[in-house]
Amino acid sequence: DVKVTQSSRYLVKRTGEKVFLECVQDMDHENMFWYRQDPGLGLRLIYFSYDVKMKEKGDIPEGYSVSREKKERFSLILESASTNQTSMYLCASSISWASYEQYFGPGTRLTVT
Amino acid sequence: QQQVKQSPQSLIVQKGGISIINCAYENTAFDYFPWYQQFPGKGPALLIAIRPDVSEKKEGRFTISFNKSAKQFSLHIMDSQPGDSATYFCAATLNSGYSTLTFGKGTMLLVSP
Repeated sequence: DVKVTQSSRYLVKRTGEKVFLECVQDMDHENMFWYRQDPGLGLRLIYFSYDVKMKEKGDIPEGYSVSREKKERFSLILESASTNQTSMYLCASSISWASYEQYFGPGTRLTVT
Repeated sequence: QQQVKQSPQSLIVQKGGISIINCAYENTAFDYFPWYQQFPGKGPALLIAIRPDVSEKKEGRFTISFNKSAKQFSLHIMDSQPGDSATYFCAATLNSGYSTLTFGKGTMLLVSP
């Protein structure tokens, strides 16, 4: 089974802090994605990557950056956390030729105070 | 902006009843339509998917109906069970390696015993 793990289930940070969210997948998938999930807004794509050191902006990249130094690891970075970034963050991965079938991690609930 | 519109936002169905969730899309280039199921505390997981050259796809109690001319598709859950209580997301994508999923905003389904 594909396993996507995220470094923390719950995280509380202060406004202005730099925040790192880590995601690791164990199935050698080429594609990796970061989403945020908010009530009533569904899943919104922040960034994605289809190869090591490659990154593409999603629908809501402002205030975020990403890093992919190794194929299995995709990091989401909040350079200066703000309260409007309080959300559930979901990481996903997929095989390159089947991007419709994404495997999600359990999510990180981030609270910025 | 590409959009997938999903309704209803929430749904309560009695055990044994039929749950119906509807989605509409705008981009006629979309060529793959997956549905994802998310249980509380978990990431979404692929449930069932359909191509636009097929009008219906059935997997167990779950059926997708697709109307290409109307640009609409729907999920039907027959004989709904309390274990089906979850949030359901429809999505649309171009079935290529570098495409991304465009998600609907989700439907929270509660199946009452």
